[in-house]
Amino acid sequence: DAKTTQPNSMESNEEEPVHLPCNHSTISGTDYIHWYRQLPSQGPEYVIHGLTSNVNNRMASLAIAEDRKSSTLILHRATLRDAAVYYCILRDFTGTASKLTFGTGTRLQVTL
Amino acid sequence: DTGVSQDPRHKITKRGQNVTFRCDPISEHNRLYWYRQTLGQGPEFLTYFQNEAQLEKSRLLSDRFSAERPKGSFSTLEIQRTEQGDSAMYLCASSPARVIGEQFFGPGTRLTVL
Repeated sequence: DAKTTQPNSMESNEEEPVHLPCNHSTISGTDYIHWYRQLPSQGPEYVIHGLTSNVNNRMASLAIAEDRKSSTLILHRATLRDAAVYYCILRDFTGTASKLTFGTGTRLQVTL
Repeated sequence: DTGVSQDPRHKITKRGQNVTFRCDPISEHNRLYWYRQTLGQGPEFLTYFQNEAQLEKSRLLSDRFSAERPKGSFSTLEIQRTEQGDSAMYLCASSPARVIGEQFFGPGTRLTVL
């Protein structure tokens, strides 16, 4: 699986937007970009995924650069419950294993 | 609750003992995964089942580790002759049989080896 690079930590104020960056300069044409998050003392939780176009769901938005070498997870209004470690993961859709390869992620702190 | 469940949630054992963890996936999911997570790191893939067939094993899964999914439903992960380095959170996830699909994780079993 191609490697991703994320900042170790970020801080945000509550009710402000948060932009979590991810670099994946070696992404291949068959890699989807997935985001998961892990709240304290819980298993990881799916957030969103995309291939080329920007994606929106009830949790977040995913903005994908035109060259696909980077992406940004956008939380539109951070709440204290969004404090978690966010993982950016590439998954090859032609593969059969479909395992997730996690890095160390970005630890998001949300303050009042 | 119809999510992934794991049992036990916590296990403390002495070095050299055997332990077994259970995972019950979401009922209609035929893919099941085991991951291990140590403090400050992201989860690491251990093994993967499609129905009852174990299709992939990580090099992390030494011969002291064995996983089964005998009827294609629940799965067990056994660690024999535990070592202090086995202390970690063991996570189970399940997903439907789509190549690209969301994996649903359980709460994990935290193992402490004394």
